[in-house]
Amino acid sequence: DAGVIQSPRHEVTEMGQEVTLRCKPISGHNSLFWYRQTMMRGLELLIYFNNNVPIDDSGMPEDRFSAKMPNASFSTLKIQPSEPRDSAVYFCASSFGTVGTQYFGPGTRLLVL
Amino acid sequence: AQKVTQAQTEISVVEKEDVTLDCVYETRDTTYYLFWYKQPPSGELVFLIRRNSFDEQNEISGRYSWNFQKSTSSFNFTITASQVVDSAVYFCALSEEPNNYGQNFVFGPGTRLSVLP
Repeated sequence: DAGVIQSPRHEVTEMGQEVTLRCKPISGHNSLFWYRQTMMRGLELLIYFNNNVPIDDSGMPEDRFSAKMPNASFSTLKIQPSEPRDSAVYFCASSFGTVGTQYFGPGTRLLVL
Repeated sequence: AQKVTQAQTEISVVEKEDVTLDCVYETRDTTYYLFWYKQPPSGELVFLIRRNSFDEQNEISGRYSWNFQKSTSSFNFTITASQVVDSAVYFCALSEEPNNYGQNFVFGPGTRLSVLP
């Protein structure tokens, strides 16, 4: 079975540009999580969805960040405009139920110049 | 507030040594879940174990074992006869049941384990 799929795996962009990260959760999972990992702050939960509905976005750092889940098999995390401090690895994870085991995608390594 | 502490930032051992990674958590909930994940140098996060707050039985899986003690709010992870392939960053995490105030997911800062040949 396919695991969580994320694209792109690597993204290099210039400050001010829009960045869109994509995630396909494991089929059958109904909860989806976006995390950001940096050396300074470790793994931070940005937002999570349950049954395609955003439940808690309190971890989203600023209004420049937005996330959507239009259907059960696809989610996006968008940064507009991007800034150098957004450089990090962004992980998507999915689970069956919000208390289920979260399985992580391979991550997207974002570098904003 | 919920919190996960992994006091050991880095550990180095020689191959075949046993090593224990500590995890101490804080929560006011009576129902919660604890996890361990491994992040090898390649960067992916690999699930190792999930334990709910009502199950204090220790678990062994091959060279890996986990000791859950609610009395000390600890969920420690031991690798027996460590191998070079065990070199990774290990994260302990806490997930709480949803309630009227929301639901919390917290990762510890991680322990970087280096196993030397």
